[in-house]
Amino acid sequence: DVKVTQSSRYLVKRTGEKVFLECVQDMDHENMFWYRQDPGLGLRLIYFSYDVKMKEKGDIPEGYSVSREKKERFSLILESASTNQTSMYLCASSLLASGSNQPQHFGDGTRLSIL
Amino acid sequence: SQELEQSPQSLIVQEGKNLTINCTSSKTLYGLYWYKQKYGEGLIFLMMLQKGGEEKSHEKITAKLDEKKQQSSLHITASQPSHAGIYLCGADKGTSYDKVIFGPGTSLSVIP
Repeated sequence: DVKVTQSSRYLVKRTGEKVFLECVQDMDHENMFWYRQDPGLGLRLIYFSYDVKMKEKGDIPEGYSVSREKKERFSLILESASTNQTSMYLCASSLLASGSNQPQHFGDGTRLSIL
Repeated sequence: SQELEQSPQSLIVQEGKNLTINCTSSKTLYGLYWYKQKYGEGLIFLMMLQKGGEEKSHEKITAKLDEKKQQSSLHITASQPSHAGIYLCGADKGTSYDKVIFGPGTSLSVIP
């Protein structure tokens, strides 16, 4: 089974702090994704990566950056945390398969509170 | 841009009853995914449908993609408390890298 592991289930940080959310997958997937999930807004894509050191902006990249130095690890960085970044953050990965769609597999999520 | 709607928004059923959740797309679906999310947790992949008319089953859950590929239904037979959670549909955006747009979710409660 695919295993996507997010480093923290719950995290509390202060406004202005630099925050790192880590995600590791064990299935050699090429694609990795970061989403945030908010009531009434659903799942929104922040950034995704299709290879080491490659990244693309999603729908709401403002205030975030990402890093992918190794294939299995994808980090989300909040450069200067703000209260409107309080949310549930979900990491996902999928296999790059030529000519076919592959499902994304998700981690357990990190509930981040910015005070 | 493509949008997904789900109905109903929430559902409360008695244990043992059957139920159906619908997912409707504003555009043709090239790939449709169903996920289940327990409250406060991540999404669990259930099934993927790609061909019009396709039907797949996993335990007591059956999903179908209609012939026109703009609607999918998820049917649960003889519901159990373990089926409770939020069910989300997701659709391939038709771009590379498996980017997906998700529906708003349907919250299911099963009363013992």
